[in-house]
Amino acid sequence: EAGVVQSPRYKIIEKKQPVAFWCNPISGHNTLYWYLQNLGQGPELLIRYENEEAVDDSQLPKDRFSAERLKGVDSTLKIQPAELGDSAVYLCASSLGVAGAVQYFGPGTRLTVT
Amino acid sequence: GENVEQHPSTLSVQEGDSAVIKCTYSDSASNYFPWYKQELGKGPQLIIDIRSNVGEKKDQRIAVTLNKTAKHFSLHITETQPEDSAVYFCAASGSGGSYIPTFGRGTSLIVHP
Repeated sequence: EAGVVQSPRYKIIEKKQPVAFWCNPISGHNTLYWYLQNLGQGPELLIRYENEEAVDDSQLPKDRFSAERLKGVDSTLKIQPAELGDSAVYLCASSLGVAGAVQYFGPGTRLTVT
Repeated sequence: GENVEQHPSTLSVQEGDSAVIKCTYSDSASNYFPWYKQELGKGPQLIIDIRSNVGEKKDQRIAVTLNKTAKHFSLHITETQPEDSAVYFCAASGSGGSYIPTFGRGTSLIVHP
C-alpha cells in the first residue's frame, strides 16, 4: 500500500515569492493534516481536513497561508508571499477518523526561503 | 491547551544498552499517547502507542509505560542497535474534545556500535 506522498521534497525560493506544496494521502483516509516542523522541534498542526471541510485551522497564518482539499482527496498548501521565517519542513499526514487514530506522515517538503 | 515536555533532548548509548525517554503532559483529559521515530529526511513514523486504559505495552524491543496519576509516560528500548539511531517524539492527544496530538520537542538517540 502506498504511503502519504508529498511533492516537491525540497524547495528553495526567494522571500516574497509564492510557493505551493502538494499532498496525496493514503487511499481511503478521510482526515488530512498539514504540520509545520521547525528544526529541533516536534510537528505543529497548521490545519486539519475532515473530507473536504477544513477544521482546526486556528494555527494557520491566514494572511499568507492558504490550503484546499478539493474532492476530499489531494490537498495543496500555499504560502504567498513567503518570508524568511517560513523556512521549515512542511509535513502532511492522514488518518482514518480522528479520535485516537493513527496518523501516517509523508516525507515532508523542506522549504528554504532566502 | 496541552503541554508536553520531553527529556532528554539527546541520548547517547552503546549498542546493546537500554535507552529510556521520558515525557510529561499537562492535561489530565489526554488519553492517547503515541511515540514516533523520525529518521533523517523522512517523516515521523509511529512505533508504538498506548491508551489511558492500560499502564504498559510491549512490542519486541520497545515498550511504553504510562502513569496517569503523575501524568508521565516513557519509552523503553532494550538491546539498542545502530539502526535505532533517530529522533524520537512523544505526543499526547484527546484533551477537551480535541484529538490533535501535541508533540514533545524530540530526543535525538545515538547508538554507538
